Amino acid sequence: GQQVMQIPQYQHVQEGEDFTTYCNSSTTLSNIQWYKQRPGGHPVFLIQLVKSGEVKKQKRLTFQFGEAKKNSSLHITATQTTDVGTYFCADHNQFYFGTGTSLTVIP
Amino acid sequence: DGGITQSPKYLFRKEGQNVTLSCEQNLNHDAMYWYRQDPGQGLRLIYYSQIVNDFQKGDIAEGYSVSREKKESFPLTVTSAQKNPTAFYLCASSSAGGGETQYFGPGTRLLVL
Repeated sequence: GQQVMQIPQYQHVQEGEDFTTYCNSSTTLSNIQWYKQRPGGHPVFLIQLVKSGEVKKQKRLTFQFGEAKKNSSLHITATQTTDVGTYFCADHNQFYFGTGTSLTVIP
Repeated sequence: DGGITQSPKYLFRKEGQNVTLSCEQNLNHDAMYWYRQDPGQGLRLIYYSQIVNDFQKGDIAEGYSVSREKKESFPLTVTSAQKNPTAFYLCASSSAGGGETQYFGPGTRLLVL
């Protein structure tokens, strides 16, 4: 069945360092969504990618969708303490969320 | 992420007891969802509903039941058959089912006494 894996599961970075999380699917995705969940909070929608090879930016966040539409990445440049949380990719056609990457930023 | 309310914020269940978690949305969304999140884990789909009076089982529906009598409401009952109910329960809605952005409520944390 559908499998969407995220790596790494946990990431600790010094403030100012970059961070990347990867999402890999066993099947071709029609689109992919990214969410952020702050500690103790609920997931909040960040972005949706639809096209093969698509790249979108939101300030320090860069989202990519692979050419084969089987993988995606989220890259944060120069992390800040406000970036702390768990980042999930999601395949809403299958109502499936990835396992998430928990980001800790050390001041 | 507004427009979806869940109550209560914390809920305690005794052994053998059924409890119902409330989820209401005023976004005029057709589709609603229930997810379970365990500590340090991702979200797993319990049930979803794409239209009033219709709902489908997700990956972990055993021990849970739902109803969708109104577009705005999608309550989840955790039955006594659910042997490990302690988790964070998240309700979400979207304008349509399949591929649409989901908007989440604040969640209900269920604990077993």
